[in-house]
Amino acid sequence: EIVLTQSPATLSLSPGERATLSCRASQSVSTFLAWYQQKPGQAPRLLIYDASNRATGIPARFSGSGSGTDFTLTISSLEPEDFAVYYCQQRSNWPPLTFGGGTKVEIK
Amino acid sequence: EVQLVESGGHLVQPGGSLRLSCAASGFAFDTYDMNWVRQAPGKGLEWVSSVISTGTSMYYADSVKGRFTISRDNGKDSLYLEMNSLRAEDTAVYYCARDPPYYESLTGYLDHWGQGTLVTVSS
Repeated sequence: EIVLTQSPATLSLSPGERATLSCRASQSVSTFLAWYQQKPGQAPRLLIYDASNRATGIPARFSGSGSGTDFTLTISSLEPEDFAVYYCQQRSNWPPLTFGGGTKVEIK
Repeated sequence: EVQLVESGGHLVQPGGSLRLSCAASGFAFDTYDMNWVRQAPGKGLEWVSSVISTGTSMYYADSVKGRFTISRDNGKDSLYLEMNSLRAEDTAVYYCARDPPYYESLTGYLDHWGQGTLVTVSS
């Protein structure tokens, strides 16, 4: 089973700041990695797939990078609606389909 | 518009059983693999089970293998999760989510999710 480790667990930032979230895989997943956003009381929403491709309707301030075992989600300038929990997910080797533990981006 | 609507969650005693349903609309249900993903209160996402588009292959997390059964009815555009021998640690919001076909770029990722149904296992 591929384990995904996200860091930091919590990121405290102000609107307008840049957010950098990390996801590390226990073995290579090539670029088969996605990022999801989840707001309180809502279902997750797909943001990024195949490490760097934005899903339909996702603003350009969200970008993904990385390959192999190290991946990054960057939010270039935080908007108020971006404060949420973010999860990574791999599809390289499943079952099981695995998610990271999440990073909460909170308002400082 | 793609819609996934879960139902069937409620309070059940340990050792009990429950059947969750997910009604799909707005897309060709019989071409998508489907998944159940759960989220315990205040915790992260945990994949539970998948079924391929034809319903002929199913996959399970070790934590539910032998207790849960996933199925689908393509004639009714519906996904199901039969849950037996429920434990306190099965308490969670259960989401159904679709996985696009292999020929689409989003294959392997969950591009649409329902709003979830809450299962509480407690005496």
